[in-house]
Amino acid sequence: SQQGEEDPQALSIQEGENATMNCSYKTSINNLQWYRQNSGRGLVHLILIRSNEREKHSGRLRVTLDTSKKSSSLLITASRAADTASYFCATDAMATGNQFYFGTGTSLTVIP
Amino acid sequence: DTGVSQNPRHKITKRGQNVTFRCDPISEHNRLYWYRQTLGQGPEFLTYFQNEAQLEKSRLLSDRFSAERPKGSFSTLEIQRTEQGDSAMYLCASSFPGGSYNEQFFGPGTRLTVL
Repeated sequence: SQQGEEDPQALSIQEGENATMNCSYKTSINNLQWYRQNSGRGLVHLILIRSNEREKHSGRLRVTLDTSKKSSSLLITASRAADTASYFCATDAMATGNQFYFGTGTSLTVIP
Repeated sequence: DTGVSQNPRHKITKRGQNVTFRCDPISEHNRLYWYRQTLGQGPEFLTYFQNEAQLEKSRLLSDRFSAERPKGSFSTLEIQRTEQGDSAMYLCASSFPGGSYNEQFFGPGTRLTVL
């Protein structure tokens, strides 16, 4: 079963705009990760945030984590057409730390 | 190319047949994971190995599914008596202790179609 759920399911923006997608999960976690999937490159790890962290940056990516709300957000700034892909959050539940649970994904389309 | 490789990339089979997929992880990655992904969904965890030991299996993994990693390098996933509901993308990933096992490197997947 899916641990997480991304919101929105689909997002369409113009190149240069920012894209924000959210992830909610169900159980306490050790860390949360975001992955990108497109037909050309498969699933690629983007960024990891630990449960004791609240915000993390990597290039044009900014991730926040609110463990009290069991939610995370991924912000992509100055989007490019190449950012068009599906984005998934993945968590490892504290109870079963070696299993990773992926959400249902947000499909992002960046229009040139 | 030193990435994770999976073979075959596509497999079409008839219901009731057995199929086997292979995954070659990145060398020196001692953890290997299998996932199943259906259209519009995220990957679902099936099982994982640390070296040759299969340490965890999802309840999704019915008795028709079996995975092996005999020498701690490549792994195989076999599905016996396939059903139409087994149609999905089967993904393999590997990770290493230097990354605290958190970052998983995924292969391109094997797309299974059961007719």
